[in-house]
Amino acid sequence: DTEVTQTPKHLVMGMTNKKSLKCEQHMGHRAMYWYKQKAKKPPELMFVYSYEKLSINESVPSRFSPECPNSSLLNLHLHALQPEDSALYLCASSQVSGDYEQYFGPGTRLTVT
Amino acid sequence: RKEVEQDPGPFNVPEGATVAFNCTYSNSASQSFFWYRQDCRKEPKLLMSVYSSGNEDGRFTAQLNRASQYISLLIRDSKLSDSATYLCVVPGDSNYQLIWGAGTKLIIKP
Repeated sequence: DTEVTQTPKHLVMGMTNKKSLKCEQHMGHRAMYWYKQKAKKPPELMFVYSYEKLSINESVPSRFSPECPNSSLLNLHLHALQPEDSALYLCASSQVSGDYEQYFGPGTRLTVT
Repeated sequence: RKEVEQDPGPFNVPEGATVAFNCTYSNSASQSFFWYRQDCRKEPKLLMSVYSSGNEDGRFTAQLNRASQYISLLIRDSKLSDSATYLCVVPGDSNYQLIWGAGTKLIIKP
C-alpha cells in the first residue's frame, strides 16, 4: 500500500471554482512533488518542494498555486482552470534532496467543465 | 533524438513467457536509471533502480549498456498481473527532475 495519500480521488470543478488538492506522506521524506498526467502520456513535473521550500516551478500557469504547510503535507490550490487542465494530478515524495527514487500517491482525477 | 525513448508497444505475450524491452537515453553522463510500472488509471510505482551495470529482483532483471546508451528490462515467467505500462526514467539536469519515457505497454495473455 502506498504511504502517500491524496484527496480527493476525483474532483469535478467549473472554470470559476476554487478548489484544493491535498497530499500527505508518512515516510519522513523531505522532498515532495506535484505532477500532471494526461491519458497515455508520462507524468509531467509541475512543482518541487525541498525542506518545505519551493525549489522548482516548471513554468506552471499561476492558476495552479502550490503550498507546503509542513514536511508531511503538500497542497495544490486551483483557481480559474481551463478544460485542458483536466488530468490526473499526482503527488510524489522522495527521501532527501537529489534522491530520484520517488513514491507516488494514487492521484486526483480532475475534470474541469 | 528524444532524451528517453521507448517502444510504445503493446507487447502481447503469453503467460509464462519471457519478455524484454529496451529504453534508450541521450545523456551519456547519466549515472542512474529507473523502471516504474503503471497500471491503468493508477499511479506509477517504482519497480527497479539501476546504479551500475544492472539489477535483479526475482523475475525482473534490468541491465545497463552504457556503450550503446540503453537499459533493458527482462521479465521471466510472466504473470497476468505483469500487464501494465513500464516507464523508463532517467534523471534530468536539475535536482529532483526525472526525464520520463513514454512507456511500453505490456499485455500478458492467458
